[in-house]
Amino acid sequence: SQQGEEDPQALSIQEGENATMNCSYKTSINNLQWYRQNSGRGLVHLILIRSNEREKHSGRLRVTLDTSKKSSSLLITASRAADTASYFCATALLQGAQKLVFGQGTRLTINP
Amino acid sequence: EAQVTQNPRYLITVTGKKLTVTCSQNMNHEYMSWYRQDPGLGLRQIYYSMNVEVTDKGDVPEGYKVSRKEKRNFPLILESPSPNQTSLYFCASSPSLGQGSHQPQHFGDGTRLSIL
Repeated sequence: SQQGEEDPQALSIQEGENATMNCSYKTSINNLQWYRQNSGRGLVHLILIRSNEREKHSGRLRVTLDTSKKSSSLLITASRAADTASYFCATALLQGAQKLVFGQGTRLTINP
Repeated sequence: EAQVTQNPRYLITVTGKKLTVTCSQNMNHEYMSWYRQDPGLGLRQIYYSMNVEVTDKGDVPEGYKVSRKEKRNFPLILESPSPNQTSLYFCASSPSLGQGSHQPQHFGDGTRLSIL
């Protein structure tokens, strides 16, 4: 299975609510990144958290990283219709191949 | 404007007809990569390049070729396309991707290929 796996696969909430997505991975990482993809478009980088960091904020985004559990979460507060998109976590491995490994993504739908 | 540009954006072609998808970045990035995205499988890396004349296989390289003759360009070549290569393809770049590096990747808008 893939290095990064997101949970849930799909999430539907009302506008104004908070959305939480989780990502688990298997091997040691250099950093973990979250990306957003609007339908059929390219991925846009949201936030990067290094392996020695535990939490990071950017606007309405909050990312946590627990390296002991090999997991991360992305929280979007006060969601808006424009947040409707797919969200992917990607891990930069500490050793081995120089690449980002993407999970399968969480499809987030914000209902007005 | 800093960007990764892919061409074409859409292509419908037939089995066996060689095609090239171009990718160009204007950010002087060392690292470039190609991914394919398929429903239920997420993004899978095809090939990547750490710098000029340095390329390596990703997770799904079969049926693809790449070259990196110049820093800004990283074309993806399908010598004999087959229907299982029908997919959405993305090119990405970043300044570097070494162990001491913490750089996000910049993605192109994608190329949707249909191989009949």
